[in-house]
Amino acid sequence: KAGVTQTPRYLIKTRGQQVTLSCSPISGHRSVSWYQQTPGQGLQFLFEYFSETQRNKGNFPGRFSGRQFSNSRSEMNVSTLELGDSALYLCASNPGGRTEAFFGQGTRLTVV
Amino acid sequence: DQQVKQNSPSLSVQEGRISILNCDYTNSMFDYFLWYKKYPAEGPTFLISISSIKDKNEDGRFTVFLNKSAKHLSLHIVPSQPGDSAVYFCAASGGSNYKLTFGKGTLLTVNP
Repeated sequence: KAGVTQTPRYLIKTRGQQVTLSCSPISGHRSVSWYQQTPGQGLQFLFEYFSETQRNKGNFPGRFSGRQFSNSRSEMNVSTLELGDSALYLCASNPGGRTEAFFGQGTRLTVV
Repeated sequence: DQQVKQNSPSLSVQEGRISILNCDYTNSMFDYFLWYKKYPAEGPTFLISISSIKDKNEDGRFTVFLNKSAKHLSLHIVPSQPGDSAVYFCAASGGSNYKLTFGKGTLLTVNP
């Protein structure tokens, strides 16, 4: 069974630009969550989608958004990039209930 | 407000000995707890979980203990191996919220 796949693995963007990251969950998993990892703040929850609906949202500004498609694939978008958005963005999937989440390798975003 | 705390940023143990990683939480709504292992530039890998209806869960060399009255959990690794060297994250979820709240991690180094 294939794991969680995130693309791209690495990305360099300029301040003010926008970026879209993609996540393909494990087959059969309907829940996709996104997390941001930075050295200072650790792993912080961005949002979670289940069956194309945002079910939970973390404390991030509106510049961070996401969506989920009917095949459970998910994208997250960050608009008007700031230097502080440089981080490892991780996607996790699970079947949908209270079970362990499986993470992808992450997308390393660098904003210059 | 850090709801999940890992107070030891690092831990060093000798190969073959026991590693004990600790985690404290403050949110009484948390009822499901997980441990993840993470190497640099990779996504976290799920290790073991425990529901609040249990006080112990074992999987091979890994055992998680939960003390609900103290709001404390610990991960025991016996025997420790050099390949166990990584950052270990404690995570929790609960209530109607499926998001995972992570601690800031403990860097475990197992010396040969």
